[in-house]
Amino acid sequence: DTGVSQNPRHKITKRGQNVTFRCDPISEHNRLYWYRQTLGQGPEFLTYFQNEAQLEKSRLLSDRFSAERPKGSFSTLEIQRTEQGDSAMYLCASSFGLDEQYFGPGTRLTVT
Amino acid sequence: GQQLNQSPQSMFIQEGEDVSMNCTSSSIFNTWLWYKQDPGEGPVLLIALYKAGELTSNGRLTAQFGITRKDSFLNISASIPSDVGIYFCAGQLGETSGSRLTFGEGTQLTVNP
Repeated sequence: DTGVSQNPRHKITKRGQNVTFRCDPISEHNRLYWYRQTLGQGPEFLTYFQNEAQLEKSRLLSDRFSAERPKGSFSTLEIQRTEQGDSAMYLCASSFGLDEQYFGPGTRLTVT
Repeated sequence: GQQLNQSPQSMFIQEGEDVSMNCTSSSIFNTWLWYKQDPGEGPVLLIALYKAGELTSNGRLTAQFGITRKDSFLNISASIPSDVGIYFCAGQLGETSGSRLTFGEGTQLTVNP
């Protein structure tokens, strides 16, 4: 299967801990996106990369959040000093240019 | 920011019935997409629309990009139990204004066998 993959699928952490998620896009895709989805809502945009450059960040992306895509392939999303409000599904998507975005299965974060 | 209003919020139908859902925006989009999401999974792309007025089909699914570029609808014909899930519309402005997707709040579809 050559779709978008995300790891881990589930993460439970205590408030105040740091967490890191990984996304592996479809191999030929140069754009990679991060979205956050809370229960009963549609996904909300966080940030995106074209190759290794982070081109846009949402106001939702507080300074506790950082994303990287160092070699223009996989990406990591780190949340420092997690809060209960960070509990959500974190979705990664990839595309080639402005073509359709394909989503991974998501990482479900629970902050206790 | 931009808001997408998706309706209805939920639908309960019998197997074999046709379904229609729509999405409206306060401002224009240059691309409309429809996704389906199952519990605990990521959204799966169903249909992408790139031109105002475009009507596109994918099997039993048909979607249209509104002439005003502020709306889109999705029809599902002859529903089957595996159509159960949450359907999301999403709009994209495009290169000059960013490639982020703006999503509606979803339509929860239940199909009774």
